[in-house]
Amino acid sequence: SQQGEEDPQALSIQEGENATMNCSYKTSINNLQWYRQNSGRGLVHLILIRSNEREKHSGRLRVTLDTSKKSSSLLITASRAADTASYFCAINNAGNMLTFGGGTRLMVKP
Amino acid sequence: DSGVTQTPKHLITATGQRVTLRCSPRSGDLSVYWYQQSLDQGLQFLIQYYNGEERAKGNILERFSAQQFPDLHSELNLSSLELGDSALYFCASQRGGPYNEQFFGPGTRLTVL
Repeated sequence: SQQGEEDPQALSIQEGENATMNCSYKTSINNLQWYRQNSGRGLVHLILIRSNEREKHSGRLRVTLDTSKKSSSLLITASRAADTASYFCAINNAGNMLTFGGGTRLMVKP
Repeated sequence: DSGVTQTPKHLITATGQRVTLRCSPRSGDLSVYWYQQSLDQGLQFLIQYYNGEERAKGNILERFSAQQFPDLHSELNLSSLELGDSALYFCASQRGGPYNEQFFGPGTRLTVL
């Protein structure tokens, strides 16, 4: 079963708007990672946030982590059509495998 | 480009057949992970190798096996293929400890007819 669950499953916004995706999980974690996947392609690593961190930024991306609520969010600011993709959170709690959520499909309309 | 390469990109085969998927990790990465992505199961971890040795197993079927060679490339062998094995198969490599980023290859799309 997938431990991470993204919300919403699908999101459609206009170019220039912000996009927020959420991830909830069930167990304790060492870190949480966000990935992007363009249709049928490989996963691109976006950000890794460790359990003792609360927020991380990378360019237009902002990730927050609330371990008390077992949740994380990914914010993409000033979205572009090229941001259209599926976004996955992945939990690392056992030191080996990543456990992925079902993903959020983001559509950014020009 | 993550630096992880996978071949072939596409593979079409018939039920009952056997195939081998190949992965070359990023230079210097000792860990290789294999994942399967299907419409019904999503992304699932299959198996991990570290410097030639199996380190962790996930939801890998007995019909599937993997190995990592001395040059650190890895192969995933799928045998007695069934229609349900049709999926995207990814490998990922990792540097340093098990809590670091995993970098994924472009995947091999397997279609079993």
